[in-house]
Amino acid sequence: NAGVTQTPKFRVLKTGQSMTLLCAQDMNHEYMYWYRQDPGMGLRLIHYSVGEGTTAKGEVPDGYNVSRLKKQNFLLGLESAAPSQTSVYFCASSYGRQGRDGYTFGSGTRLTVV
Amino acid sequence: GDSVTQMEGPVTLSEEAFLTINCTYTATGYPSLFWYVQYPGEGLQLLLKATKADDKGSNKGFEATYRKETTSFHLEKGSVQVSDSAVYFCALSSSKGAGSYQLTFGKGTKLSVIP
Repeated sequence: NAGVTQTPKFRVLKTGQSMTLLCAQDMNHEYMYWYRQDPGMGLRLIHYSVGEGTTAKGEVPDGYNVSRLKKQNFLLGLESAAPSQTSVYFCASSYGRQGRDGYTFGSGTRLTVV
Repeated sequence: GDSVTQMEGPVTLSEEAFLTINCTYTATGYPSLFWYVQYPGEGLQLLLKATKADDKGSNKGFEATYRKETTSFHLEKGSVQVSDSAVYFCALSSSKGAGSYQLTFGKGTKLSVIP
């Protein structure tokens, strides 16, 4: 089925470790996004991309880096994980820049930093 | 900046009860408005949308009307089912200038429907 695929689904990291979350979409969407979801906070935008080779900062970018080397993939990196980065991470993509057709979300990555 | 405020949860209803989840927004210009639903253990799914004032979005028995005069987009359903138990997010899409847009979410409202 077409959609957004996130890997891994679960991960436990020790403070200071690094990791990369992978997001892949097969809908030929130009726009891709990384959000984090925390209890009582809703979803907050970390970084986004408006096309292959481009990235931009969202609301809460500190401690994260991203890359969009291929149109279908959007990678989120944590260089030195901190307990404050314990969260559920969602990737999303959209066809148009206004998102009027809605965003398509992946099923999420639950990350725990101990 | 843009913001979305939705009613605090959790909301617990009996099956076949009427549902209203309030959502109000603050934005410049003319945003598009959305309701997303998140079932346990899953990502968000688009439930319905409205792109201009007085539009009514509807899907799966849910509906919401874009009210510019009251800056509201309340979600309603006439008769809820146990399968409607989920977290519901109100969201808006607005211009950030230079052709850039951003989706802003409310904090979510958890709905539990009991038999």
